Amino acid sequence: DQQVKQNSPSLSVQEGRISILNCDYTNSMFDYFLWYKKYPAEGPTFLISISSIKDKNEDGRFTVFLNKSAKHLSLHIVPSQPGDSAVYFCAAMSPGGTSYGKLTFGQGTILTVHP
Amino acid sequence: KAGVTQTPRYLIKTRGQQVTLSCSPISGHRSVSWYQQTPGQGLQFLFEYFSETQRNKGNFPGRFSGRQFSNSRSEMNVSTLELGDSALYLCASSSAGQDTQYFGPGTRLTVL
Repeated sequence: DQQVKQNSPSLSVQEGRISILNCDYTNSMFDYFLWYKKYPAEGPTFLISISSIKDKNEDGRFTVFLNKSAKHLSLHIVPSQPGDSAVYFCAAMSPGGTSYGKLTFGQGTILTVHP
Repeated sequence: KAGVTQTPRYLIKTRGQQVTLSCSPISGHRSVSWYQQTPGQGLQFLFEYFSETQRNKGNFPGRFSGRQFSNSRSEMNVSTLELGDSALYLCASSSAGQDTQYFGPGTRLTVL
């Protein structure tokens, strides 16, 4: 049961353009969402997060949008740079209780930014 | 602040052996979560510790266990290793377990 889905395995973008990575979830109990960037054989690096009480959060070139009714979130990177090339994971968390410390991850999207 | 550290970075074991991996969280963080990453299953949650207590556990067999010490450092142990245990094992720390998690570099375990 894939509760967090990233339906695009890969995305290719030209340097300077916008990259849009998408993520869908099925568990309505999720209330905190995060995006991570990952290189092979390394740990994920935290990029940006959003609480379910918001619909947008910005941090520099990164903006995350949350559409709760559609159970959909997206990460926008503007402008995209070659150094952004990596695997991007969407992750979600529910409130405490049986969900303490548990992130549920999507399968990841490989972003390639061409110079 | 120093980030999350994990030791060792690489490990090669044979089937049937056991292994212990170590994780030191960011200073002040009391929650440590462990994940397994494999090409087929992606990133899967193993368990979470907070103040030396396991608060949550994922769907892994009992061969996978862990503990946390009073300084918040954590270890995970895998007994009777199987070929399928070959993976990147990641630990992450957070202040309280319900906020942003920061990951270490991982331990690459290869079981031969």
